[in-house]
This record gives sequence, C-alpha cells and structure tokens, in this order.
Amino acid sequence: TQLLEQSPQFLSIQEGENLTVYCNSSSVFSSLQWYRQEPGEGPVLLVTVVTGGEVKKLKRLTFQFGDARKDSSLHITAAQPGDTGLYLCAGARSSGSARQLTFGSGTQLTVLP
Amino acid sequence: NAGVTQTPKFQVLKTGQSMTLQCAQDMNHEYMSWYRQDPGMGLRLIHYSVGAGITDQGEVPNGYNVSRSTTEDFPLRLLSAAPSQTSVYFCASSYRDSSLGLYGYTFGSGTRLTVV
Repeated sequence: TQLLEQSPQFLSIQEGENLTVYCNSSSVFSSLQWYRQEPGEGPVLLVTVVTGGEVKKLKRLTFQFGDARKDSSLHITAAQPGDTGLYLCAGARSSGSARQLTFGSGTQLTVLP
Repeated sequence: NAGVTQTPKFQVLKTGQSMTLQCAQDMNHEYMSWYRQDPGMGLRLIHYSVGAGITDQGEVPNGYNVSRSTTEDFPLRLLSAAPSQTSVYFCASSYRDSSLGLYGYTFGSGTRLTVV
C-alpha cells in the first residue's frame, strides 16, 4: 500500500508552460519534503514544509502543504528544460521518526525545448 | 567534496552470490539509511542506523544485513542474491535541524545492481 500517491505519474510539457504536481495521502504528516532526482543520481532535497497551509517558494517553484497536512503540491512557473527530472515527495509521520520518511512513487517531468 | 559516497556504481551478480555495498559519509551525520528504488515503487527503506553500533529494520529488510561500526560507514550486505533484489540502491545520511527538529536527507548517487 502506497501511503503517498503522486500525480500525474508522467508529465511532458513545452518550455515556458506552467505545471502542478500533487502528493496526496489519507495520513497526516508532521512534515513533508520534496526532492528532485536526475538520471543516475540520488534525490536532492528541494524543500521541507511543516505547517498546515504553509507556502514556500524556491525561484520558479512554489510548494504548498495542505491545511490538514495530508497533501502537498508543487507548482512550477515557466518550466525550463533544466527542470526535467523525477520529483518525489516524502512525508514524516512525527518529528521523532522523521528519519524514516515515506516516499511517493514520483512524477517524471520532461520539459521540451 | 562533502557528501555520501557509494561504491560500486554498477554491479552484476549471479543468483546465490553475496556482496557488500559500501556507503561512507563525511558530514558527521548520526543517521544513515539504505533504500532501494524500483520503477513505480518509489524509495523503500531497507535498514537504518541512528548511530554507531545501532541498527534497525525498515520496510523491506529480508535478504539484507547491515552494521555500523563507525559514524562514517554503513555497509549493506546481500547474503545470497536473488533476482528480486535487482534494483537501484541508495544510501542516505540525515541531520537534525536544531530549530525545526527535522531531518534533511543527503543521498549518495546509487548502486545499480543486477542479479541474474
């Protein structure tokens, strides 16, 4: 059973378009992290969100944590080919066990020039 | 450069062989973990360690052993390789953010293992 469902699984868009990917669960998480993974490399942490309703921005990337801390979204504005990669969300059930993250299966994003 | 180093990068094993995947970090992180990544499955936790001399099982521990004799090293041993263990293996170390009480993960670049 996948505790974190990510959608869409695959997304292919043209450079300059906007997109949103989603990370949903029926469980409450104390925090949620987003990672980006490029081929042949390990995931790289982009952001951690902690508070329900929290919004964080990282250049053209906007991350939001749902009010009930069960879901999150990642919005990319004016996507560029360098944004191509596998985007993974990962949730921690409680701050004490945050080292044991539960990962979603990922959204494979391809941005075409 | 500081980070998590995994070796080897690629490995092919025959069914029944054993091997050790190496993982080392130079950031003095307390926590280290091993994950496997399979298509459509995300990352699944195999074993983890909260410090030298302390290890525990994750979600999919069967067929794997770990030990943590030093803070820096966390090797993963496959006892008798099976085709179901064909996967990409990632080692990660994590730190505690003192202000938020959270843990951020740094991953190695992975070991791609094929068992034939």
